[in-house]
Amino acid sequence: QVQIVQSGAEVKKPGASVQVSCKVSGHTLSELSIHWVRRAAGRGLEWMGGFDPGNGETAYAREFQNRVTMTQDTSKDTASLEVRSLRSDDTAVYYCVAVGLQGDDWGQGTLVTVSS
Amino acid sequence: EVVLTQSPGTLSLSRGERVTLSCRASQSVSHSYISWYQQKPGQAPRPLIYAASRRATGIPDRFSGSGSGTDFTLTISSLEPEDSAFYYCQQYGTSLTWTFGQGTTVEIK
Repeated sequence: QVQIVQSGAEVKKPGASVQVSCKVSGHTLSELSIHWVRRAAGRGLEWMGGFDPGNGETAYAREFQNRVTMTQDTSKDTASLEVRSLRSDDTAVYYCVAVGLQGDDWGQGTLVTVSS
Repeated sequence: EVVLTQSPGTLSLSRGERVTLSCRASQSVSHSYISWYQQKPGQAPRPLIYAASRRATGIPDRFSGSGSGTDFTLTISSLEPEDSAFYYCQQYGTSLTWTFGQGTTVEIK
């Protein structure tokens, strides 16, 4: 099983950027496909994007294509998600999901609050 | 892009009743790459079912999944109080792209 620890809660103003990170242990990052999912209040789960270490491919959901960047630092077994041009409806809990051969493991979630 | 539609939106049932949740895809899902998740307030989603019918590690056998093509079902054979939660189906396919259904709320009367 993969253990995931995500960075702490953030409060940002509209128009700002935020970076959420997740550190994995129990497996190396290079063995895992990392995805990011969020859940805003009153809404369901939204897939934001994912990375395949096998071919180095990154895919983003259409609605986040121009505002989101996913990166990985394999030397630190840490993955990161940057969201730019934040709006109030980006207020949500952001989850890092590590997918391996045995299934997927979820981080504890990071609350990002966007408020003026 | 595959769109998943879950029904019903909310279910309110008594302990011990059988629960059937539906997930319908807008197009056939290859290799039945459908998962089901349970999410309780303040917690991360918990995987229940992979590949339409394979239970995740540690999941009680009262949870089962079935279906193929465009129609998939999650069944709870005998509802327990701790099963009160949101339930989501997810398509993960052969590409990196994921899609989630809008979710079903299961409540205990």
